[in-house]
Amino acid sequence: GQQVMQIPQYQHVQEGEDFTTYCNSSTTLSNIQWYKQRPGGHPVFLIQLVKSGEVKKQKRLTFQFGEAKKNSSLHITATQTTDVGTYFCAGAVAGNKLTFGGGTRVLVKP
Amino acid sequence: DAGVIQSPRHEVTEMGQEVTLRCKPISGHDYLFWYRQTMMRGLELLIYFNNNVPIDDSGMPEDRFSAKMPNASFSTLKIQPSEPRDSAVYFCASSLEVTEAFFGQGTRLTVV
Repeated sequence: GQQVMQIPQYQHVQEGEDFTTYCNSSTTLSNIQWYKQRPGGHPVFLIQLVKSGEVKKQKRLTFQFGEAKKNSSLHITATQTTDVGTYFCAGAVAGNKLTFGGGTRVLVKP
Repeated sequence: DAGVIQSPRHEVTEMGQEVTLRCKPISGHDYLFWYRQTMMRGLELLIYFNNNVPIDDSGMPEDRFSAKMPNASFSTLKIQPSEPRDSAVYFCASSLEVTEAFFGQGTRLTVV
């Protein structure tokens, strides 16, 4: 079946630094979504990408969908302590069935 | 709207007992999802419904698990009999067509 892999599994970041988390699918996706889950919380939707090569920005967050629609990335600039949490990508092949990646757990060192 | 509402928030039960988790989706949403989250397996889709009809239950681990959606505003996930390995956080989520999924607060299930 469809698999969605995320790397790295953990990301320790110094406050103020940038980092990127990557998402790869075993199959071509119709769309990809990104979610953030704070410790003890529930996943919260960040963004959806649909078009090949699409790039979207939300303040310090930049999301990209690969040309082949099989991979995606999330880049955070000038990391803040509020960025702590686990970032999940979720890919849909058809319909609305989302397959979540394993997530990247982000820890910020002040 | 109050968002997706799940109950109970926490459930501790003994092995062999029946457990029922409840979910009220956001009004007007036509998709409802049940997910299970553990450290080992991450966030797994168990089953999802479209307009109250189960579409894909391939993620349901065993026959001990069953889910129903009798109407557009209510769904249940039942485990009978429960086992310690069922301990996890169970999330319900809803969405409108192929858009963002709104998650509930989750039910933390502990089976002892």
